[in-house]
Amino acid sequence: EDQVTQSPEALRLQEGESSSLNCSYTVSGLRGLFWYRQDPGKGPEFLFTLYSAGEEKEKERLKATLTKKESFLHITAPKPEDSATYLCAVPGGSQGNLIFGKGTKLSVKP
Amino acid sequence: NAGVMQNPRHLVRRRGQEARLRCSPVKGHSHVYWYRQLPEEGLKFMVYLQKENIIDESGMPKERFSAEFPKEGPSILRIQQVVRGDSAAYFCASSSGIWAEAFFGQGTRLTVV
Repeated sequence: EDQVTQSPEALRLQEGESSSLNCSYTVSGLRGLFWYRQDPGKGPEFLFTLYSAGEEKEKERLKATLTKKESFLHITAPKPEDSATYLCAVPGGSQGNLIFGKGTKLSVKP
Repeated sequence: NAGVMQNPRHLVRRRGQEARLRCSPVKGHSHVYWYRQLPEEGLKFMVYLQKENIIDESGMPKERFSAEFPKEGPSILRIQQVVRGDSAAYFCASSSGIWAEAFFGQGTRLTVV
């Protein structure tokens, strides 16, 4: 069964304290791994797509990496505005509908 | 360059009433997905549609729920005879292709009282 597990569930950081979020996946035939950011009361905002092991993508303080079993979202010198829930998803089944992890809720304190 | 538009943003219904949720995809996108998010739970797939066709409805309850994406106009998720357990945030997403990244709307928060 296709599955996505994210850890930790919650992460509290001080401003400037770098860290990483983990996304482990089990899927038959990876067709991409997606990272989203979700703010309270809003819809998920697309961040990155990774397609193959070894691939990396960066956007401001965020860098996403991919291996054959997991993906990491590295946050370098975070700021309070980076506080959000970060979601990881993979397309499942034969029709590409996304299977989401439960997310990591990141809080960055000034 | 409008993104995915959902309305209403908030919807309150009494038990037994009908709820209609609307979604206009990104211009040019022909793939529409509906997801449901319950408090403290992840996003769960409900249904995948292309214009005038339901492609995959495996995540949608067989009773009371239906979806459509007509040739003209928005996609509609319809919930008949709502119950308290239907209270959730419902999100629509659209993409340009089956494996392409999906862009989400801001959601409709349904409250059943």
